[in-house]
Amino acid sequence: NAGVTQTPKFQVLKTGQSMTLQCAQDMNHEYMSWYRQDPGMGLRLIHYSVGAGITDQGEVPNGYNVSRSTTEDFPLRLLSAAPSQTSVYFCASSYSLRFSATYNEQFFGPGTRLTVL
Amino acid sequence: AQRVTQPEKLLSVFKGAPVELKCNYSYSGSPELFWYVQYSRQRLQLLLRHISRESIKGFTADLNKGETSFHLKKPFAQEEDSAMYYCAPYTGNQFYFGTGTSLTVIP
Repeated sequence: NAGVTQTPKFQVLKTGQSMTLQCAQDMNHEYMSWYRQDPGMGLRLIHYSVGAGITDQGEVPNGYNVSRSTTEDFPLRLLSAAPSQTSVYFCASSYSLRFSATYNEQFFGPGTRLTVL
Repeated sequence: AQRVTQPEKLLSVFKGAPVELKCNYSYSGSPELFWYVQYSRQRLQLLLRHISRESIKGFTADLNKGETSFHLKKPFAQEEDSAMYYCAPYTGNQFYFGTGTSLTVIP
């Protein structure tokens, strides 16, 4: 099993450009999520999905779109990149968090370091 | 507002000394509580969860509902414990990660 994979590892964008961060998991997990990690801010949830076809907003969704057409993939789209979106982005998945997180460990990807100039 | 606070950004202890990483939370209801850890050049991973009262790598975490705290403790720190630690309450389909504490264990 590859676990949770993210591409690219690094990306530099100019303000106003759009791009998609890819996330895939091969563990048949229902729950997938995207976080951003900023110095002094910890990890903040951007969007999450409890299953294929279902997505919802997290704490900081503005400027980002997601879709979940398959169980395996959960891409994150930056519509018009801004310097405030410079961050490290983590994708995570879990078997199911529908009712409880107690026995559903989140598995994290390696992260994508994004710089917006 | 829902909030989790880890007051120490940086914490240094000597090898063999006790270590305590503090976490306070303020959420409605009864969130489930977790500690996640990120070692150098490794992925973020689950360390322990409060419901199972487990001890992982010598770490334990005490939930104090009255003080709304979930501090992480280890009686004798080891060099391999040096890492970034995040307290993470879970409620309403979402994890809320704290700002993290970077622990350095000095040989």
